Amino acid sequence: GENVEQHPSTLSVQEGDSAVIKCTYSDSASNYFPWYKQELGKRPQLIIDIRSNVGEKKDQRIAVTLNKTAKHFSLHITETQPEDSAVYFCAASKETSYDKVIFGPGTSLSVIP
Amino acid sequence: DGGITQSPKYLFRKEGQNVTLSCEQNLNHDAMYWYRQDPGQGLRLIYYSQIVNDFQKGDIAEGYSVSREKKESFPLTVTSAQKNPTAFYLCASSLTGADRGSGETQYFGPGTRLLVL
Repeated sequence: GENVEQHPSTLSVQEGDSAVIKCTYSDSASNYFPWYKQELGKRPQLIIDIRSNVGEKKDQRIAVTLNKTAKHFSLHITETQPEDSAVYFCAASKETSYDKVIFGPGTSLSVIP
Repeated sequence: DGGITQSPKYLFRKEGQNVTLSCEQNLNHDAMYWYRQDPGQGLRLIYYSQIVNDFQKGDIAEGYSVSREKKESFPLTVTSAQKNPTAFYLCASSLTGADRGSGETQYFGPGTRLLVL
């Protein structure tokens, strides 16, 4: 069935360094890829998303890249700060009427001051 | 805060008891979802509904039931058949159908933490 893999499962970086989280998906028809950030005990919140007609998207310190041929996409966080510490989930879906989102298992990011 | 609410924030269940978690949204979204999240793990889909009076089982529907009588509401019942119900339950909603344009972005509620006494 449809599947989204995510690596690494845990990631520790020094404050100011960059963090990269990678995801792969199995359904080649997927064309929408959101990323969610979940702080401890709180709801997941959308931080950035990308559609298949775009290879890269950037929003301040966060960027996402997509390689449709290889079926993988990545989240890049530059100049990390302690408040970036959270669990990050990637996801994939198809923009048709009745499809659900497939989430990756999550990456726990710790930014060390 | 996104217009999707869940109640209660904490819920205690006694053995053999059915409990119902509430989820309400005022975003005019067609689709609603229930996820279960266990400590240190990702989101597992329990049930989802794309339209009123219709819902589909997700990956871990056993021991759970839902209803979708109104567009705004998608309550989840954790039945006594669910032997390990302790988890964080998240409800979400998204826009589907002709009004799509924002993709399948899901908006999450604040969650309900269910504990077994």
